[in-house]
Amino acid sequence: DGGITQSPKYLFRKEGQNVTLSCEQNLNHDAMYWYRQDPGQGLRLIYYSQIVNDFQKGDIAEGYSVSREKKESFPLTVTSAQKNPTAFYLCASFWGDYTFGSGTRLTVV
Amino acid sequence: KQEVTQIPAALSVPEGENLVLNCSFTDSAIYNLQWFRQDPGKGLTSLLLIQSSQREQTSGRLNASLDKSSGRSTLYIAASQPGDSATYLCAGNQGAQKLVFGQGTRLTINP
Repeated sequence: DGGITQSPKYLFRKEGQNVTLSCEQNLNHDAMYWYRQDPGQGLRLIYYSQIVNDFQKGDIAEGYSVSREKKESFPLTVTSAQKNPTAFYLCASFWGDYTFGSGTRLTVV
Repeated sequence: KQEVTQIPAALSVPEGENLVLNCSFTDSAIYNLQWFRQDPGKGLTSLLLIQSSQREQTSGRLNASLDKSSGRSTLYIAASQPGDSATYLCAGNQGAQKLVFGQGTRLTINP
């Protein structure tokens, strides 16, 4: 079945540590997106990529980095510069309509 | 800057009722307006997408309307069922398929 796979489902980060969230899609979609969701709030755009080897900052890119070396993969790194990383992270792709992954819940311990 | 607002934040109704969820946006220059469903701890499922040139879209018991001049969209759910319980999010597409989301309406359908 085609879709988006996010891993891990739960992730715990220590203070000062970088962590990478995985997002893989087998839909052959060019465009991919990373959103952050905080409790009781809508999603906010972190980064997006419309084509391989190219990506753009979204509304809240500070403290995050991405890469897009392959069409099917768009990993998100949460760096130590992100002061409040605890949130639910959602990856999505687009071709005519959006497909979302099932999310990664990141908690700082 | 586009802002999207959803009212109410939470809604609880008896099974079988028809209901309307509201979404308002500040910038009428949107490419399209989309409604999503989110179950607890899960990703989003696309429900309906209304292009800027359209006034409404229908899928089964769901009907979404778009009025760009007033900056409003509504999601109408007919004959509600307990399985409709979820959070419903609307989002405006600002170009490059970048979505600006509302905070969502948490819907509970009581058997």
